[in-house]
Amino acid sequence: ELKVEQNPLFLSMQEGKNYTIYCNYSTTSDRLYWYRQDPGKSLESLFVLLSNGAVKQEGRLMASLDTKARLSTLHITAAVHDLSATYFCAVDMDSNYQLIWGAGTKLIIKP
Amino acid sequence: EAQVTQNPRYLITVTGKKLTVTCSQNMNHEYMSWYRQDPGLGLRQIYYSMNVEVTDKGDVPEGYKVSRKEKRNFPLILESPSPNQTSLYFCASSFSRQGTEAFFGQGTRLTVV
Repeated sequence: ELKVEQNPLFLSMQEGKNYTIYCNYSTTSDRLYWYRQDPGKSLESLFVLLSNGAVKQEGRLMASLDTKARLSTLHITAAVHDLSATYFCAVDMDSNYQLIWGAGTKLIIKP
Repeated sequence: EAQVTQNPRYLITVTGKKLTVTCSQNMNHEYMSWYRQDPGLGLRQIYYSMNVEVTDKGDVPEGYKVSRKEKRNFPLILESPSPNQTSLYFCASSFSRQGTEAFFGQGTRLTVV
């Protein structure tokens, strides 16, 4: 059974600090996605990572994928309050057309 | 504007009363899916569709039905809703299943009493 584990599940941090969210998965895949969800809102795509070593950056967020370690990271640089949200990673199963989701990391950034 | 539209946004119903949540996308996407989101459980896939007339079960299909008669529409049907189907539901679409980002609808908050 494919499992996708995110940690931490909850993170409270100060503005200006750096931090990393981790996404581990339990089977082979080279396709991983990051999404953001604001409270009471829908999900918005952040990054699509499609190969080992893929790195993508958008503003203060940078995502990377290590398929050998079955690990993706979402790094936040110099956090600002607007980045407060819940962040989800999701992994494609190689064997079928399902997408398996992590439980989400709720990020609160305090001014 | 590219979008996935769900209706209704909020629904309170009684146990056993059949309901349909509609989902429509205007991006000519082939792949569509339904999720439910419950606190602490993340998103769980209910059903997905690879294309017109092609649907398959996700992780939690029990108590739900879907159909894909047209490419743009993918309704979710609860034939006999029960309280354990109280949840936040999202419809999503993508150009293909693998390797492309998904676009999500605004969500439908369903309460079954």
